[in-house]
Amino acid sequence: QQQVKQSPQSLIVQKGGISIINCAYENTAFDYFPWYQQFPGKGPALLIAIRPDVSEKKEGRFTISFNKSAKQFSLHIMDSQPGDSATYFCAASKITGNQFYFGTGTSLTVIP
Amino acid sequence: EAGVAQSPRYKIIEKRQSVAFWCNPISGHATLYWYQQILGQGPKLLIQFQNNGVVDDSQLPKDRFSAERLKGVDSTLKIQPAKLEDSAVYLCASSYHNEQFFGPGTRLTVL
Repeated sequence: QQQVKQSPQSLIVQKGGISIINCAYENTAFDYFPWYQQFPGKGPALLIAIRPDVSEKKEGRFTISFNKSAKQFSLHIMDSQPGDSATYFCAASKITGNQFYFGTGTSLTVIP
Repeated sequence: EAGVAQSPRYKIIEKRQSVAFWCNPISGHATLYWYQQILGQGPKLLIQFQNNGVVDDSQLPKDRFSAERLKGVDSTLKIQPAKLEDSAVYLCASSYHNEQFFGPGTRLTVL
């Protein structure tokens, strides 16, 4: 059973555009929602994370929007740059237990 | 602060051979994870340790995979014997207060 569903599978955006990746979860016990960025040949790196007590978190050009009632969260990349081209994974976990459940990933390509 | 270290970075073996991967987590991180990442997919948890105890190994194919974390620091993951479908990247991660940090991974190719 896929605990976290992620879409789209791939995304192509023009430089300067907005990239949006969506995730949905089922388990209401999840209380930590990180996004990871992975470049080819590298391990995933924590990009930004949110807890369900806030609806939005912004760090530079990256914003997480969180909708607790819909059990959905999304990553917005503003002013997308070619250097943002990577695979992005959403995840969900319960703080107690430290177990992480990953989405299937989104391959983002930013065209110059 | 040093990151999660893994070795080797690449390994090519024949099917039915054995292989072992090593991980050194970030100092002070009590929780250590081994993930399998097949090309084009998200990481799949194989085993999670809290100090040197196993928290979750429900998705570890125990007939061929084994892992240990002696003294609650370094960890090794072993596959014996390897199958073609074990070709993947094996990621080690450690966490502190829910922030999880990944190593660079070991790319395993089984021929």
